[in-house]
Amino acid sequence: KNEVEQSPQNLTAQEGEFITINCSYSVGISALHWLQQHPGGGIVSLFMLSSGKKKHGRLIATINIQEKHSSLHITASHPRDSAVYICAVISMSGGSNYKLTFGKGTLLTVNP
Amino acid sequence: KAGVTQTPRYLIKTRGQQVTLSCSPISGHRSVSWYQQTPGQGLQFLFEYFSETQRNKGNFPGRFSGRQFSNSRSEMNVSTLELGDSALYLCASSPLPGGEAFFGQGTRLTVV
Repeated sequence: KNEVEQSPQNLTAQEGEFITINCSYSVGISALHWLQQHPGGGIVSLFMLSSGKKKHGRLIATINIQEKHSSLHITASHPRDSAVYICAVISMSGGSNYKLTFGKGTLLTVNP
Repeated sequence: KAGVTQTPRYLIKTRGQQVTLSCSPISGHRSVSWYQQTPGQGLQFLFEYFSETQRNKGNFPGRFSGRQFSNSRSEMNVSTLELGDSALYLCASSPLPGGEAFFGQGTRLTVV
């Protein structure tokens, strides 16, 4: 079982729809990243959070540390939101070392 | 403020050769991590450097190595290339280990 599980793997939506992508993890973490990757490879960090909720424009990320679960929401989705969304957790590895462990990603396609 | 810069962007090598990839972090960032992304395995952690020291290493063979210089720039080297090493190699920098990661555009390596 992967340490970080994302769902769904693929998501197709119509422009304007509310989108939710989920991430569950099985390890203790210090923080969680939501990343966006467009075709061509570049990765952009959308959020880094360790508790509660963060909002940036139409994007909202929440995390529940007790339940080891995070969600990324996109309100009023737009075709330019089409990308792969990746959840990554920062965990301790061997003393004071940190490492990022990634989910497999969710491919979001928003149709006009 | 310039972002994370990776060079080269694209590279084609033949089996058995070696390759060196370069990563210049955001100014002031002292932690640099490397990741391999393939369609089958997704994003996987390679190693992390901080203050010129490798602090953490993922589950990759010894053919994968790296180093960090006093100006925080980092290089990774893959020796005796195999077809399976074809991937997108991403570098990320953080002010400190465990901090928010900022990713470069990646180097797409093709081994033929």
